[in-house]
Amino acid sequence: DSGVTQTPKHLITATGQRVTLRCSPRSGDLSVYWYQQSLDQGLQFLIQYYNGEERAKGNILERFSAQQFPDLHSELNLSSLELGDSALYFCASSVGVGGFQETQYFGPGTRLLVL
Amino acid sequence: AQRVTQPEKLLSVFKGAPVELKCNYSYSGSPELFWYVQYSRQRLQLLLRHISRESIKGFTADLNKGETSFHLKKPFAQEEDSAMYYCALRGIGGSQGNLIFGKGTKLSVKP
Repeated sequence: DSGVTQTPKHLITATGQRVTLRCSPRSGDLSVYWYQQSLDQGLQFLIQYYNGEERAKGNILERFSAQQFPDLHSELNLSSLELGDSALYFCASSVGVGGFQETQYFGPGTRLLVL
Repeated sequence: AQRVTQPEKLLSVFKGAPVELKCNYSYSGSPELFWYVQYSRQRLQLLLRHISRESIKGFTADLNKGETSFHLKKPFAQEEDSAMYYCALRGIGGSQGNLIFGKGTKLSVKP
């Protein structure tokens, strides 16, 4: 599958814990975006990386951090987890920085449940 | 404020009936508008974008800058159209490439 991949598919953890979500972009895509989807807030943009560098930040909490590695895969780290962090976390990728007519391709998501 | 509003959480129609999923936006600059669709157990995928002005799977959407709307329409709904539909925007020429999404409308097409 040459599309965007995300691991794990599901994650169950406890409050106060830390987890890492992983995303591999489509082959050739340099940008990775992270989105959080919750029932009340919908799909919210968290952060974008382009070719290893942070490009844009959205509504990302200080407890959350991300990075993009030289092989272009990205990890989203969520720490001091709270019940409200339970959500579906999507990764998307695009060829460039997200300019005009550029398409974002989405991964299947990681469903996080904090108990 | 940048915002995308989809007023209907759920839209239920019968097969063969016309469908219109509403989307209104608020954006200070020039936006690029999209419709994304998520079928059951599948990932979010691009359905169409305003700049293409094309019909995909029988769906069309016209950007109305005066009314700041980008409604999605299909003259005859099919059962396979049942899915979650998300309207999204991105600023043209902005420094950020992220999408701003509406909360989505669940379309249910009954036989």
